[in-house]
Amino acid sequence: DTEVTQTPKHLVMGMTNKKSLKCEQHMGHRAMYWYKQKAKKPPELMFVYSYEKLSINESVPSRFSPECPNSSLLNLHLHALQPEDSALYLCASSQESRGTDTQYFGPGTRLTVL
Amino acid sequence: EDQVTQSPEALRLQEGESSSLNCSYTVSGLRGLFWYRQDPGKGPEFLFTLYSAGEEKEKERLKATLTKKESFLHITAPKPEDSATYLCAAFLSYNTNAGKSTFGDGTTLTVKP
Repeated sequence: DTEVTQTPKHLVMGMTNKKSLKCEQHMGHRAMYWYKQKAKKPPELMFVYSYEKLSINESVPSRFSPECPNSSLLNLHLHALQPEDSALYLCASSQESRGTDTQYFGPGTRLTVL
Repeated sequence: EDQVTQSPEALRLQEGESSSLNCSYTVSGLRGLFWYRQDPGKGPEFLFTLYSAGEEKEKERLKATLTKKESFLHITAPKPEDSATYLCAAFLSYNTNAGKSTFGDGTTLTVKP
């Protein structure tokens, strides 16, 4: 089973709202990732967690706050977003984060910021 | 600067017409070259991982190859259901704790019946 699940599938929020995206995997993977994907563009890496510790933060604005409560769960907390943050947010996981490990992606959360 | 370039940007084929997609890369410390398929509004679906020059992998109508500078995704006798965007990504060693990915912009393949 190579399934990564994400909730919700769709999210509409105002610029003053606080919301969270959730990601879950049960493959025993120790690395988890958040990506942002705009229409007709490739995924852009936002954060990498390795063994529940933040390993890479690609200079993402502080209105995005990741959290890894345990090795199976990854959250992305959203606050005071801008309309340009509207995108498909993808979660992925891999066995490790060495660069040789295949990343498996979830279906994504389609976020619209009004 | 690490860079991954895919060509062509879009490719239209007739059903059964074989072709190849190209992914060229200029990265330091390449750990793996990955191919994904992505349907509109969905997450990328893993296809292949290639680690070293000369390596080849096959799956149904798809075959991926790797050289020191580029990778090819060969599609033999494609069907309309092969229509999708194909992404390649180079994964690098970023630090001792994590690898980092660089994606190409993708090739959008349309196969007409």
